[in-house]
Amino acid sequence: GAGVSQSPSNKVTEKGKDVELRCDPISGHTALYWYRQSLGQGLEFLIYFQGNSAPDKSGLPSDRFSAERTGGSVSTLTIQRTQQEDSAVYLCASSLQPGRAYEQYFGPGTRLTVT
Amino acid sequence: AQRVTQPEKLLSVFKGAPVELKCNYSYSGSPELFWYVQYSRQRLQLLLRHISRESIKGFTADLNKGETSFHLKKPFAQEEDSAMYYCALKEGGSEKLVFGKGTKLTVNP
Repeated sequence: GAGVSQSPSNKVTEKGKDVELRCDPISGHTALYWYRQSLGQGLEFLIYFQGNSAPDKSGLPSDRFSAERTGGSVSTLTIQRTQQEDSAVYLCASSLQPGRAYEQYFGPGTRLTVT
Repeated sequence: AQRVTQPEKLLSVFKGAPVELKCNYSYSGSPELFWYVQYSRQRLQLLLRHISRESIKGFTADLNKGETSFHLKKPFAQEEDSAMYYCALKEGGSEKLVFGKGTKLTVNP
């Protein structure tokens, strides 16, 4: 079956513009995660969705970042008024159910470059 | 707050040599720890978890609560082990993983 997919694979945008990054999790996976992978900074947790529960937004770095998950499936991460420090690879992951967070299947990532 | 520290950004060894990738954590509760690996041009994937106490691709990792460490070890490194390795911690009652900054392992021929 298909794994986690993300689009676009690469995005170059000008400072100040808004961007939307998309994640399609594995079918049937109820948990979805977004991470940011910056050079030399490892993986930084951004947000976690589980079913119909309120998302854990504790990792979002500022109010310019938001995410939604429609119908318990596809998720969109939106960054408003992008800044150069937002340049990073944004990874999405999904897991089958709660309690199996370690079994996250990662997408290929979206490389965001803010010029 | 929990933290995961991987002190080595880069680690280079020769094929056949032992390798140890260090991971230290700080967490007041009972942690679950994991190692993830990302090979070149591939996706990040789970390598092993401390609960299972298994050996994957010749790698093992033992949780040392006294030293708050979860070092990844392999007695004889292979060139195909070259990759980025991340240590991660999951706190009890949470579905969030906290990752270290990663160690890039290069195994030279």
